[in-house]
Amino acid sequence: KAGVTQTPRYLIKTRGQQVTLSCSPISGHRSVSWYQQTPGQGLQFLFEYFSETQRNKGNFPGRFSGRQFSNSRSEMNVSTLELGDSALYLCASSSGSAGTQYEQYFGPGTRLTVT
Amino acid sequence: GENVEQHPSTLSVQEGDSAVIKCTYSDSASNYFPWYKQELGKRPQLIIDIRSNVGEKKDQRIAVTLNKTAKHFSLHITETQPEDSAVYFCAASRNTGFQKLVFGTGTRLLVSP
Repeated sequence: KAGVTQTPRYLIKTRGQQVTLSCSPISGHRSVSWYQQTPGQGLQFLFEYFSETQRNKGNFPGRFSGRQFSNSRSEMNVSTLELGDSALYLCASSSGSAGTQYEQYFGPGTRLTVT
Repeated sequence: GENVEQHPSTLSVQEGDSAVIKCTYSDSASNYFPWYKQELGKRPQLIIDIRSNVGEKKDQRIAVTLNKTAKHFSLHITETQPEDSAVYFCAASRNTGFQKLVFGTGTRLLVSP
């Protein structure tokens, strides 16, 4: 099976702009989670989508949002970018049915730089 | 709240030695504990995981142990090789069905030839 893919791989934006990142999960996986990775804060959970519904959300401001489509592909959006949003954004896919934890497989990430 | 502490932050060993990385979790409802290896510029890769109904799991040169009472789990790598050099992250998750991982801060492992 093909792995998790993310586009774009690199992005440079200016403060105040908005950005949309895309994630395509492993075929058959219905859960997509998003994480932010920074040197200072490490890997932090943003949110998780399953069957087009957000099931869980981390402690990030409302500027961070996401959605999932019927084919399980997911997008996350960051509005009004701040310098501190510069990070590697990783998505992870899993089978993700309710009731148990499944292995999560990560995509290569999108490196976002805000200037 | 949910928190995972990981030690040490850096670990240097000679090739062939063993390496041990330790994590402690705060949420007693956690019951799934994966370990990820992240090489420079690469994605985190799942290398082994353990669930709370198991005390130990092995896969070739790597093993993970879990002490639920103490809320500790550890990664053991034997016969280390230079290609084991990477950052290793532990994580914990509750059995809520939500696929949320709480990560430790990472351990940079350097294996010298």
